[in-house]
Amino acid sequence: EAQVTQNPRYLITVTGKKLTVTCSQNMNHEYMSWYRQDPGLGLRQIYYSMNVEVTDKGDVPEGYKVSRKEKRNFPLILESPSPNQTSLYFCASSTRQGIDYGYTFGSGTRLTVV
Amino acid sequence: GDSVTQMEGPVTLSEEAFLTINCTYTATGYPSLFWYVQYPGEGLQLLLKATKADDKGSNKGFEATYRKETTSFHLEKGSVQVSDSAVYFCALSDLMGRDMRFGAGTRLTVKP
Repeated sequence: EAQVTQNPRYLITVTGKKLTVTCSQNMNHEYMSWYRQDPGLGLRQIYYSMNVEVTDKGDVPEGYKVSRKEKRNFPLILESPSPNQTSLYFCASSTRQGIDYGYTFGSGTRLTVV
Repeated sequence: GDSVTQMEGPVTLSEEAFLTINCTYTATGYPSLFWYVQYPGEGLQLLLKATKADDKGSNKGFEATYRKETTSFHLEKGSVQVSDSAVYFCALSDLMGRDMRFGAGTRLTVKP
């Protein structure tokens, strides 16, 4: 089944403790992206990647890092999480040409930073 | 920059009522337009899309028409069901194909 898999689904952590949210897709998509969803704000892009070793900042990159060493994986790293990073996070992927045809989204990761 | 504005919710309707969720956009050029749906506890799913002016996207009884003259992409359904209860997001893809811009989302609740 074609899908984007995120882990974990739920995470509670403490301020300053480094964490990684994994994202993997099995569709050989070139394009991957991370979003955060907050009430009243919709989805805001954190980082995106056009292909392996090619990443760029989205609208709200502060406090986040990403890497794209393999085509299928695009982990989101929070080096020193803070409470304002409490949010619902989504990973998405698309073919480069298919971005006009929509993304495939993961099921989301609900992160709480206390 | 490119942006999407959609009507605020929540929207509460009775089963079989007519649904309209308004969406307008601001963009340079002619982006592709989308509606996504998010059911409780799930990720977003593509509901329908339109890639050029006057195109009509449709799926599962939902429709939306790409109106360049009014920069709009309103979502409609003639008769909603309880199972349509979800959050609906309007979105556009930018010209460079780098990004999908989302509206704030509209929560729809359909009561039996």
